[in-house]
Amino acid sequence: GAGVSQSPSNKVTEKGKDVELRCDPISGHTALYWYRQRLGQGLEFLIYFQGNSAPDKSGLPSDRFSAERTGESVSTLTIQRTQQEDSAVYLCASSLALGSNEKLFFGSGTQLSVL
Amino acid sequence: KQEVTQIPAALSVPEGENLVLNCSFTDSAIYNLQWFRQDPGKGLTSLLLIQSSQREQTSGRLNASLDKSSGRSTLYIAASQPGDSATYLCAVPNQAGTALIFGKGTTLSVSS
Repeated sequence: GAGVSQSPSNKVTEKGKDVELRCDPISGHTALYWYRQRLGQGLEFLIYFQGNSAPDKSGLPSDRFSAERTGESVSTLTIQRTQQEDSAVYLCASSLALGSNEKLFFGSGTQLSVL
Repeated sequence: KQEVTQIPAALSVPEGENLVLNCSFTDSAIYNLQWFRQDPGKGLTSLLLIQSSQREQTSGRLNASLDKSSGRSTLYIAASQPGDSATYLCAVPNQAGTALIFGKGTTLSVSS
């Protein structure tokens, strides 16, 4: 695709429900990243994929958070038993390769609101 | 642990002014630094990427400089316009190269 696509753009859920957020990276980008941005805060790194494997998942805040990537393309971030503190914008980004001097391209994000 | 700091947190200027945004980082062992722009409700757009071997990069009215030894970068915006109003973030790779570490950004407002 022309850019990184994320869906849904907005998600409102009730506390305790599970949610799935989707990211379609730019075609051919092997590196994929998930970040979280709480209101008025900086970007927090969550997880990094190289191909379909996740060599760095150190930013996942708890075991309620998980992510997978298939076909070296689409990635889904799943949050189980959502809590109010999970409310944030979840941003996905992709780049050509790890450790290269390549720019990161971001999607527009999913605004998650947990009531 | 790498930490990135941006000063000031917010800046308001009249149209036409030249301005400088500052970024500092604690670990100078970086291989590049990127400047991004974020508009409200939108994702980030990469503006400039400076490799560690470079001292500056230019794109249009934007010029970014990098001084690795002092752990600093500046983004210079010439002849600012209302359309430049946005939050500007700088970011450097973590030690493993598996993620970018971001500053909290400088929110710029340019009035006409």
